[in-house]
Amino acid sequence: EIVMTQSPATLSVSPGERATLSCRASQSISSNLAWYQHKPGQAPRLLIHDASIRATGIPARFSGSGSGTEFTLTISSLQSEDFAVYYCQQYKNWGTFGQGTKVEIK
Amino acid sequence: QVQLVQSGAEVKKPGASVKVSCKASGYTFTDYYMHWVRQAPGQGLEWMGRIIPNSGGTNSAQKFQGRVTMTRDTSINTAYMELSRLSSDDTAVYYCARDYGYQLLVYYFDYWGQGTLVTVSS
Repeated sequence: EIVMTQSPATLSVSPGERATLSCRASQSISSNLAWYQHKPGQAPRLLIHDASIRATGIPARFSGSGSGTEFTLTISSLQSEDFAVYYCQQYKNWGTFGQGTKVEIK
Repeated sequence: QVQLVQSGAEVKKPGASVKVSCKASGYTFTDYYMHWVRQAPGQGLEWMGRIIPNSGGTNSAQKFQGRVTMTRDTSINTAYMELSRLSSDDTAVYYCARDYGYQLLVYYFDYWGQGTLVTVSS
């Protein structure tokens, strides 16, 4: 099983600042990586697939990068609605998620 | 618009089974694979398995093999997930999620149900 490790577990950021979230795969997954945003009581929302392609309707302040085993999600200027938990998911082999990074207001 | 509407919360005793439904609308049900994902309290997301709405073929994560049964009824555009031999570790919110790929399997998900809370308690 491919294990996904996200860091940090919690990220404290002020509105308007940049947030950088990391995700590491236990083996190479090429670009088979997605990012989701998850708010309490809501369904997860697909942000990025294929490591860097924004899903339909996702604002340009969200960007993804990386390949192989190291990946990054960047939120260029945090808005109030962006405070949430973010998950990476590999789909090279079935689909496994990281444990999530909580982005909270500093 | 695409919608996935799940059945309501359930409370079950250890050893029992639970069956969660997911009714799809706004698209052709048989054109997209359907997955099941769960989230235990304080935990991350966990992929459980998927079903091919056309054929009914399924695959599940090794952890759930032998305990999870995924089915569908194409006449009412509904997918089902039944989990047996429940324990307290199965207390979680269960989601159905549509595969992003049109008539192919890509294993990431563009539409999700609202979630169904299953509580296992004696």
